Formats: sequence, C-alpha cells, structure tokens
Amino acid sequence: QSVLTQPPSVSAAPGQKVTISCSGSSSNIGNDYVSWYQQLPGTAPKLLIYDNNKRPSGIPDRFSGSKSGTSATLGITGLQTGDEADYYCGTWDSSLSAVYVFGTGTKVTVL
Amino acid sequence: QVHLVESGGGLVKPGGSLRLSCAVSGFTFSDYYMSWIRQAPGKGLEWVSYISSGGSSIYSADSVKGRFTIFRDNAKNSLYLQMNSLRAEDTAVYYCARTVQGILLGYYYYYMDVWGKGTTVTVSS
Repeated sequence: QSVLTQPPSVSAAPGQKVTISCSGSSSNIGNDYVSWYQQLPGTAPKLLIYDNNKRPSGIPDRFSGSKSGTSATLGITGLQTGDEADYYCGTWDSSLSAVYVFGTGTKVTVL
Repeated sequence: QVHLVESGGGLVKPGGSLRLSCAVSGFTFSDYYMSWIRQAPGKGLEWVSYISSGGSSIYSADSVKGRFTIFRDNAKNSLYLQMNSLRAEDTAVYYCARTVQGILLGYYYYYMDVWGKGTTVTVSS
C-alpha cells in the first residue's frame, strides 16, 4: 500500500486542463523533492517532472509541477488525446525504512 | 543515445531463483546510481532497490529484503538483480532505470530519468 495518495482517475475534454494531486507526509513529500512519471499504455514509464517543478528536455511546457507542504500537484494544460496515460508521483521516504515511494497512480482520460 | 535493455525474465516456480540483467549504453555507467522498479499486472509502480555508482550503498524495499540482491559490474556496463525465494507476488514487469540523486538546499532529490522497456517475471507452479 502506497504512502502517496493520488486520485484514481481524472478526465477532461481536449484543450482543457487537468490537475492531479499527490498527498503524502512530512517524511516524504514534506522533506524531499517530488518527481512525476507518465506511463502510456503498454510502455515503460517516462520522467515528466523532477525536483518538484522542472521539466526534462523534450517535455512540453503544457506539463507543470508544484509542491506545497506535504502535497504535490501535476498540471496538464491544452489536453491532447496523446496525454491519455497513467501518471505517478514519486519521492524518497525517510521514515524507518528509507525507501523510494510511488503514488497510487492516476489514469487521465481525454473525453 | 542512452539505452537500457533488461533481460533474464521468465517463468519460475515459487521458491525458485532468477537473475535479471540490465545492459546500458550511451552514458558513463559508473557515474550513475541505478534502480530496479517493478509493476505487477494491472497494478502501479513499486520501487524495488537502488545501488550507488560505485556499489557501496544499497537500499531495498522491505518486500524484497533478504531475498533480492542488486549489484553492478561497471566494467561491463551492467546492472543485475538476483532474485531468490521467489513468490507469486513477485510476478511483475521489472524495469531498470538510471537514477539521479543528491541533496539540494537541504532537501533530498531522487528520480529515475531513463528507463528500460522491462522484462517480465512470472512466478507460478
């Protein structure tokens, strides 16, 4: 069971905006940087956002990240059909067992 | 171009062993931490283990501690995951990933910036 909670699904029409929340605690999000990953159907995950709000080369600025306290948010503007995927947040958790933790995952559907 | 290619997956009986490999190219392997992540059928991502660039620092998930061992051969540009005492719940696609980590402004950062395509492990009798 993941310690990072995301909504199971979000949806919007093409061109609209969606936001995905990632809720954690002081031992993970509250203490460390957050990254986000996109997993298109049948493919390996891909890094989308790192260090809370930075985009790797090649990731369009339609994708944005933010963090406040023990929560993080991924935003996708100008939604496209190609954005239909599963999205995961992730961060280091420095509790009793130091581990990396992923969020529960959110399925984005373009209506 | 950066490439990570996993191999070694397959069907194994409960209690059996398997060794996964990840061959990398396109970057200086010995400069990077590396991680293994898995995904059970229809489920989310689960981090399994990471190893430091020189191999001296290793962290693993509680679910695999004592059963799985991560190691690397920098001379061969390869990462490995030795899996023993396999259970049905270890059935998953296993990904290797290049890992970037460090401390910035007092906060720890850790992310996987390049992933392989994965190799499938099935534990079943």
